[in-house]
Formats: sequence, C-alpha cells, structure tokens
Amino acid sequence: DGGITQSPKYLFRKEGQNVTLSCEQNLNHDAMYWYRQDPGQGLRLIYYSQIVNDFQKGDIAEGYSVSREKKESFPLTVTSAQKNPTAFYLCASSSRQGRYEQYFGPGTRLTVT
Amino acid sequence: DAKTTQPPSMDCAEGRAANLPCNHSTISGNEYVYWYRQIHSQGPQYIIHGLKNNETNEMASLIITEDRKSSTLILPHATLRDTAVYYCIVRNTGANSKLTFGKGITLSVRP
Repeated sequence: DGGITQSPKYLFRKEGQNVTLSCEQNLNHDAMYWYRQDPGQGLRLIYYSQIVNDFQKGDIAEGYSVSREKKESFPLTVTSAQKNPTAFYLCASSSRQGRYEQYFGPGTRLTVT
Repeated sequence: DAKTTQPPSMDCAEGRAANLPCNHSTISGNEYVYWYRQIHSQGPQYIIHGLKNNETNEMASLIITEDRKSSTLILPHATLRDTAVYYCIVRNTGANSKLTFGKGITLSVRP
C-alpha cells in the first residue's frame, strides 16, 4: 500500500534529550512537510522540503532540525532547545505536479517530562 | 495565503446533509479553496478543492459563491464517522505554497 508512515505513534522523553521522529513515504512525492499540533489548535508548519538535500523553515522552526538525504525520508529532530516540545507531530507529502494536495501520516504524539 | 473564518462547531443528524460554511473574503484570483478533515488523533485527510466552479467527488460537494468570498462544504448524507474537525484553507497551487490551518469547525453527527 502506498502511504506515509510515522513511527512510533507515542514517544516519551526526558527534558534535555534530543529526539528524532521518523517519516517515510512511498508515494514518490517530491515535497515533504512537518507540522505540530497542540490541543484544540490547528496545525503549524515547522519545516518543509521541496526536493532532496533542500529544506526551508516554516513558521515555528526554532528548536527543530531536519534532513532530506533521501526522497522517501524526512526525519525531524526535536532538540533540547525547543521550549515546549510536548505535542502531536504530523508529517505530510505532496506531488509537485497536479493538485498539490498533501497526504498526511498518522502522527507521533511526543510527551516530554 | 488568505485567511478563512469558520464557526467553531455545528451538529447534524445522521443521514441528513451537513453544510459547513467558510468565509474567505480576501481570497485572490489565483487562490483555490481546499477542505481537509481531521478525525480525532489522526492526520488530516484531503476532501476536495475548487477555484470558482462547484465541485463534487465521492466524499463531498463544494459550493463556491460567484464572488468567491465564501464557500460551503456539503456532506450529503452524514454518518457518525463524519464526526471530525473540518478545515477550510485557501492557497495557490504553486510548488512553494503552504497550507495554513486555522482551528477549523468541529462537526458532530448525532444518531
């Protein structure tokens, strides 16, 4: 089946630790995105990448880092510099042709204590 | 990207049509109206999009007013599984265009 996978679904970390969230897609999409969602709020864009080896900051990039070494993969690292890392993290991808609608993964719920 | 305004919530009876409104009075000529929905604790799902003509697919219909300042998403026969947050978004379709999600409208379908 084609789609986007994020793992794990739930992640727990201690404050001060960096943590990397996985996002893989087999849709052959060029563009990939990371969003953060807090309770009762909409999604906010963290980083996005239109092609391999290139990425841009979104609206709330501070405290996060990404890499795009392969077309299929776009991991997100939540660093210790992120002041409020506990949130629901969503990865998405889209084609650069056609309608550009984004397809989302199931999300990773990160809890930092 | 232009902003949108949606009421915070609405409900409808199972089997009836759900009409979800959205205002986008500052939409520009090259911006499309997109609708996504998010079922609790899942990733958002694309529903439909349109520019100025009404659109229909297997999930829903999208009615855009002639002046394009507002639109309505119609779920013709709502089911309990349609209970979700629905996001109305306007954006152009350029490769660097971003989706900007507001708080959306929470639709509750009652038995």
